[in-house]
Amino acid sequence: GAVVSQHPSRVICKSGTSVKIECRSLDFQATTMFWYRQFPKQSLMLMATSNEGSKATYEQGVEKDKFLINHASLTLSTLTVTSAHPEDSSFYICSASRPRGGSTYEQYFGPGTRLTVT
Amino acid sequence: DAKTTQPTSMDCAEGRAANLPCNHSTISGNEYVYWYRQIHSQGPQYIIHGLKNNETNEMASLIITEDRKSSTLILPHATLRDTAVYYCIAMKTSYDKVIFGPGTSLSVIP
Repeated sequence: GAVVSQHPSRVICKSGTSVKIECRSLDFQATTMFWYRQFPKQSLMLMATSNEGSKATYEQGVEKDKFLINHASLTLSTLTVTSAHPEDSSFYICSASRPRGGSTYEQYFGPGTRLTVT
Repeated sequence: DAKTTQPTSMDCAEGRAANLPCNHSTISGNEYVYWYRQIHSQGPQYIIHGLKNNETNEMASLIITEDRKSSTLILPHATLRDTAVYYCIAMKTSYDKVIFGPGTSLSVIP
């Protein structure tokens, strides 16, 4: 089946530094990928839609200058948390849509990246 | 996308069928019902989806009412590994962004 990977799986960084998280679709091409954030005991919150070759579309309330998204190829999207602060500590999850046939798709999610900012 | 309503939590005995309900009374004709689940500290996992007809795969069965206003996800023989948060989502296609609600926290009890 389709697999989406994320790297790193967990990262600890100091306040003020930047962290890059990679999302890869391993056996299919994804023109669109999505980035989510999940705080403890809460549901996933969509942050942005990442389109290959174009600028990302951010959800309301998400700072585009803080969360930089680059979709450089059909199999790779990156999320960079710039000048991270403790409140950015969260579980970051990406997903990618794979055509299933007809007009339907299956969306596959990565395993998530646990970011801790100290 | 139509709003869905699910119970906050449910318990199920190991080995028994787990029936997870979902209400989507405002679903439109071209919206599918998708189910995902998220085991603690993992990414969500696709389970099944359907439009009108009941669907079955190796993981679960999906029963959609004739008026399409509600559906039930059935895990036929729940195991401890099925303990997770289950999300029911109504959307036109999973090519579009998935908006998660709070879901149902299913606890499978030995």
